[in-house]
Amino acid sequence: QVQVVQSGAEVKKPGASVKVSCKASGNTFTSNYMHWVRQAPGQGLEWLGLINPSDDSTSYAQEFQGRVTVTRDTSTSTLYMELSSLRSEDTAVYYCVREIGTLKAFDIWGQGTMVTVSS
Amino acid sequence: QSALTQPASVSGSPGQSITISCTGSSSDIGGYNYVSWYQQHPGKAPKLMIYDVSNRPSGVSNRFSGSKSGNTASLTISGLQPEDEADYYCCSYTSTATPYVFGTGTEVTVL
Repeated sequence: QVQVVQSGAEVKKPGASVKVSCKASGNTFTSNYMHWVRQAPGQGLEWLGLINPSDDSTSYAQEFQGRVTVTRDTSTSTLYMELSSLRSEDTAVYYCVREIGTLKAFDIWGQGTMVTVSS
Repeated sequence: QSALTQPASVSGSPGQSITISCTGSSSDIGGYNYVSWYQQHPGKAPKLMIYDVSNRPSGVSNRFSGSKSGNTASLTISGLQPEDEADYYCCSYTSTATPYVFGTGTEVTVL
């Protein structure tokens, strides 16, 4: 069973950056698109971005262009999401998510990482 | 890209059927068969229930079914059970600058 395990909770000040990681078991990293989705407290799900395993190309939600960066380290099977210029509205749980094949649906979710932005 | 529109809440009694709608546009739901649905219990990560409009992943009960007509997708839960009480989100691939969009979410209550 593929598992995705994320890094622990973070507290950051406005204007700072945060880098969240997730580690996947199996050959997930070499064969599946990986995505990041976030959920603010009491709010809905919001898609942030993805990375293509074949060439490391990325795609981001227009709203976050220039602020979010998704990268991966294949040697350690670790995926990263860095969000810069943090503001209070970025307080949310951030999920690392696997895309099922090329079906544009998300079958494996990490446990989530709480990022709190507060002065 | 605005979120897809879902009703805020839907309720039903045990054993009944309920349907959750998800309305988008020709740039997302109407343009692709890449509609998926997720169930989320409080404090838990979402779980994939339906992909490609109407396909169920292995292990998901056949009480859950999906469909699409034009720019609106639907999730039907038949034989409603107490454990179905959760939040449900639709998601669609899009042709816009933001390739994926989620719905606003629907809280399902089992009376």
